[in-house]
Amino acid sequence: DAKTTQPTSMDCAEGRAANLPCNHSTISGNEYVYWYRQIHSQGPQYIIHGLKNNETNEMASLIITEDRKSSTLILPHATLRDTAVYYCIVHGSSNTGKLIFGQGTTLQVKP
Amino acid sequence: DGGITQSPKYLFRKEGQNVTLSCEQNLNHDAMYWYRQDPGQGLRLIYYSQIVNDFQKGDIAEGYSVSREKKESFPLTVTSAQKNPTAFYLCASSGLDRALGYTFGSGTRLTVV
Repeated sequence: DAKTTQPTSMDCAEGRAANLPCNHSTISGNEYVYWYRQIHSQGPQYIIHGLKNNETNEMASLIITEDRKSSTLILPHATLRDTAVYYCIVHGSSNTGKLIFGQGTTLQVKP
Repeated sequence: DGGITQSPKYLFRKEGQNVTLSCEQNLNHDAMYWYRQDPGQGLRLIYYSQIVNDFQKGDIAEGYSVSREKKESFPLTVTSAQKNPTAFYLCASSGLDRALGYTFGSGTRLTVV
């Protein structure tokens, strides 16, 4: 599985958009980009995933660059409840199924 | 509602004792996983199972054992051979189409006293 690089921490003002970057320069053609978040002492929660097209759901938007070497998760109107560790993971749908977690980005949403 | 249930939420164990963590899912997922998380760290894979009666070691399997006798259940035993068992343990599951994402349980916090 390809590895990802994320900033260790980020701050965002409540009500503003939070843009969380992720580099995955060694991603393979059949690997998806997944985003999960983990609120303190809870299990990770799936947010969104994509292959090469941009994706949007009720939680967030995912922007993937044309070369697929990086992506950005966008929380359009961050709230205090969005404070969490955000993990960017690349993973193929046909391999053994192991999700490899990095350190993630700790997003602190401030009032 | 479908989901994954981990129990107990908090568990205390004396040194030298084995302890079993429960993980049950009603999502009809084929694959199940156990992860360990230490403070301030990401998740590390202990064991995973893609089908009933079959499982594979992850990156940190030493001192742990699992079984997969039923599709719905994937219990993890932390044995006395695990030298540093105090951690947060997370169970997850996924369907055959992993592009749909993984579902995680709420975790068990194990403390050795």
